[in-house]
Amino acid sequence: DAKTTQPTSMDCAEGRAANLPCNHSTISGNEYVYWYRQIHSQGPQYIIHGLKNNETNEMASLIITEDRKSSTLILPHATLRDTAVYYCIARDDKIIFGKGTRLHILP
Amino acid sequence: GAGVSQSPSNKVTEKGKDVELRCDPISGHTALYWYRQSLGQGLEFLIYFQGNSAPDKSGLPSDRFSAERTGGSVSTLTIQRTQQEDSAVYLCASSRNPLAGNTDTQYFGPGTRLTVL
Repeated sequence: DAKTTQPTSMDCAEGRAANLPCNHSTISGNEYVYWYRQIHSQGPQYIIHGLKNNETNEMASLIITEDRKSSTLILPHATLRDTAVYYCIARDDKIIFGKGTRLHILP
Repeated sequence: GAGVSQSPSNKVTEKGKDVELRCDPISGHTALYWYRQSLGQGLEFLIYFQGNSAPDKSGLPSDRFSAERTGGSVSTLTIQRTQQEDSAVYLCASSRNPLAGNTDTQYFGPGTRLTVL
């Protein structure tokens, strides 16, 4: 398993881009980077995943460094509804969640 | 289509009683996971089923916890002789096939909130 480390919490102003970092320095070549989020009292929700290339979907962008030892999830225009715990996971088979980053979007 | 469903949504039980929690995964998903989440804490992996393979039970906290998956679909998590520290939200997730292309997007159910008095 690649251990991931994330900041415990972050703040971001509403309307600004939220950039959530994740370190996975021991990641192996076939391990994907996944991001999920969990809004209060709900089950986790898939956001995005990638292997080497940067990825973008309707929710977010994922930037993976060339050496794949870290990545950044970008929420381009954060809203209050983006307040949640964000989990970064690097696994090649089953996904196991760590403690994540608690993102607070400030009005 | 239908997502992952869990029942009951809430369960209150007395210390020492046994409880069964049910998970109905998305049809066709071969992988099924159980997690639990204590108040204010992150997700704690419990057990993982993949197809007909032996389940990965490495996250079960004690031998009071067990799980079955019948017919490769519905799963039941059983907690025997419940203790107050078992109080948590128990979440189930399923995924299509984590062994195909090394990807595993999990879809979560709403969870069962267990309270042990």
